[in-house]
Amino acid sequence: EDQVTQSPEALRLQEGESSSLNCSYTVSGLRGLFWYRQDPGKGPEFLFTLYSAGEEKEKERLKATLTKKESFLHITAPKPEDSATYLCAVDGSGNTGKLIFGQGTTLQVKP
Amino acid sequence: ETGVTQTPRHLVMGMTNKKSLKCEQHLGHNAMYWYKQSAKKPLELMFVYNFKEQTENNSVPSRFSPECPNSSHLFLHLHTLQPEDSALYLCASSQFQNQPQHFGDGTRLSIL
Repeated sequence: EDQVTQSPEALRLQEGESSSLNCSYTVSGLRGLFWYRQDPGKGPEFLFTLYSAGEEKEKERLKATLTKKESFLHITAPKPEDSATYLCAVDGSGNTGKLIFGQGTTLQVKP
Repeated sequence: ETGVTQTPRHLVMGMTNKKSLKCEQHLGHNAMYWYKQSAKKPLELMFVYNFKEQTENNSVPSRFSPECPNSSHLFLHLHTLQPEDSALYLCASSQFQNQPQHFGDGTRLSIL
């Protein structure tokens, strides 16, 4: 059964304190791994798609990496506006659009 | 308007009521999705539509009835709901089924 586990559940950082969020997955054949950001009262906002081990994507202070078993979302020198819940999802369905989501990591960055 | 728009944003209904949730996307996408987001649980896929045809029903109870009249509009008809159906219902769309999905801001549903 396809499964996605994110850790930690919650993370508190001081402004400028870099860290990483983890997304471990079990899927028969990975078609894509997606990272989203969700602010309170809003829908998830798409950040990155990764398709194969070794692939990396960057956007401002965020960098996503992928191995055969997990993905990391590295946050460099975070700011308070980076506070949000970060969701990871995998598509192992053969391109049916059926994404399996993790429970998310809630990040709080204090000034 | 741009993106994915969901109405209403909030809905309170009794267990015997019938209501509908509406989703409209202005992105020219061909696939649309309904998700349920409950507190402390992962996002859960409910239905997938591709070019107006339903391609996935994730064992959703029949009290939830989707409708996709065209590639830009998606409805979720609700009837005889249970208290455990209280949740945030999110709509998403993508260019094709293997492309990134873009979400609306959801309808917060409360069942009395």
